[in-house]
Amino acid sequence: EVQLVESGGGLVQPGRSLRLSCAASGFTFDDYAMHWVRQAPGKGLEWVSGISLNSGIIGYADSVKGRFIISRDNAKNSLYLQMNSLRPEDTAFYYCAKESQRLVSFQFDPWGQGTLVTVSS
Amino acid sequence: QSVLTQPPSVSAAPGQKVTISCSGSSSNIGNNYISWYQQLPGTAPKLLIYENNHRPSGIPDRISGSKSGTSGTLGITGLQTGDEADYYCATWDNRLSAVVFGGGTKLTVL
Repeated sequence: EVQLVESGGGLVQPGRSLRLSCAASGFTFDDYAMHWVRQAPGKGLEWVSGISLNSGIIGYADSVKGRFIISRDNAKNSLYLQMNSLRPEDTAFYYCAKESQRLVSFQFDPWGQGTLVTVSS
Repeated sequence: QSVLTQPPSVSAAPGQKVTISCSGSSSNIGNNYISWYQQLPGTAPKLLIYENNHRPSGIPDRISGSKSGTSGTLGITGLQTGDEADYYCATWDNRLSAVVFGGGTKLTVL
């Protein structure tokens, strides 16, 4: 069974940093691109970032470009999101999501259960 | 304001059919696949439709998807109370170089 388990969320002050992790199991991790998607409480979904299977291609939403860094460690079957210069508007549930197919198509299946990041003083 | 436009809410009675629209432009839906996601209350989103009209294994055939030009439609027949959820469309946007989502549609089964 494919499983994605996020961790690292919590309460952080504006301007500080936080690193999220996503532990993957049940599939060949280095065969798939991976993504982070977030959802502010009570709001819709927003794609944050994606990374190709060998980290050669990386993309970010304009809202996080220059502040967030996505990375992966294929040896550890893990995906990461380093979040710097955090702002209150970054408060959201952060979901790790796997590409549905080996060919990148920006379609996500499955998603992790999410980890909540709260940016507040 | 979302790049993809969905109705905020739809409703129908149990057993009936409902459709949810997703409107975009040539930079997104017009030239890329649409996917649809269901988010039950308090849970993570789940893929319902990929590549405009394909269902992942385990998704029943009363769920369907279609695309025409710069719009897509999700259809659900034989509505059940368990279908009450938020539904999102998504696609790649060539101009933004980003995945874009619709604002979401809340389905109520009366």
